[in-house]
Amino acid sequence: NAGVMQNPRHLVRRRGQEARLRCSPMKGHSHVYWYRQLPEEGLKFMVYLQKENIIDESGMPKERFSAEFPKEGPSILRIQQVVRGDSAAYFCASSPDRTGEQYFGPGTRLTVT
Amino acid sequence: DQQVKQNSPSLSVQEGRISILNCDYTNSMFDYFLWYKKYPAEGPTFLISISSIKDKNEDGRFTVFLNKSAKHLSLHIVPSQPGDSAVYFCAASARGGGKLIFGQGTELSVKP
Repeated sequence: NAGVMQNPRHLVRRRGQEARLRCSPMKGHSHVYWYRQLPEEGLKFMVYLQKENIIDESGMPKERFSAEFPKEGPSILRIQQVVRGDSAAYFCASSPDRTGEQYFGPGTRLTVT
Repeated sequence: DQQVKQNSPSLSVQEGRISILNCDYTNSMFDYFLWYKKYPAEGPTFLISISSIKDKNEDGRFTVFLNKSAKHLSLHIVPSQPGDSAVYFCAASARGGGKLIFGQGTELSVKP
């Protein structure tokens, strides 16, 4: 009865490196969402994917950020050339369909030094 | 442009009393609203939701009220317990679902 799984839980990167965050949705869920929480703020939507398709990327920064959800394997959020402002908690959520509740993973805490 | 607002950053309540957390929204396209509870270093946990066709939804100690004309919703917790101490986020989605828009959160502290 696994919930949404994210790894790693903590990730430290130096400025200019790449960060890869992984998310395995709940069993039976084909809709995946990524959110970011900056310190002292609420969660901000980044991107919504359904198997092999990006449905809504209106919250993604225009540069350095990309996401995928391949036919096999976890969803990946990739941040290239990280900067200190990318330090945040990144949460993945999944749902069985487009409407209704989203279930969240434990998050990946990215620290850029 | 904060479409979902939780104007109280914190709330302190005595154990056994009622906790009322408030949320306001501006986008009339929102038709589904959710409350999440979050502990430090964990992901948000879904609590309760309400569709815009209803004005009340109840689940155990938790009740959500929706006032569409005022674009306001509230979460009532009765009776409050120390284990309810956490940050509570309200969230909304527009017709068709997809992304959730979150408020800034209210930190609830329930004192024994």
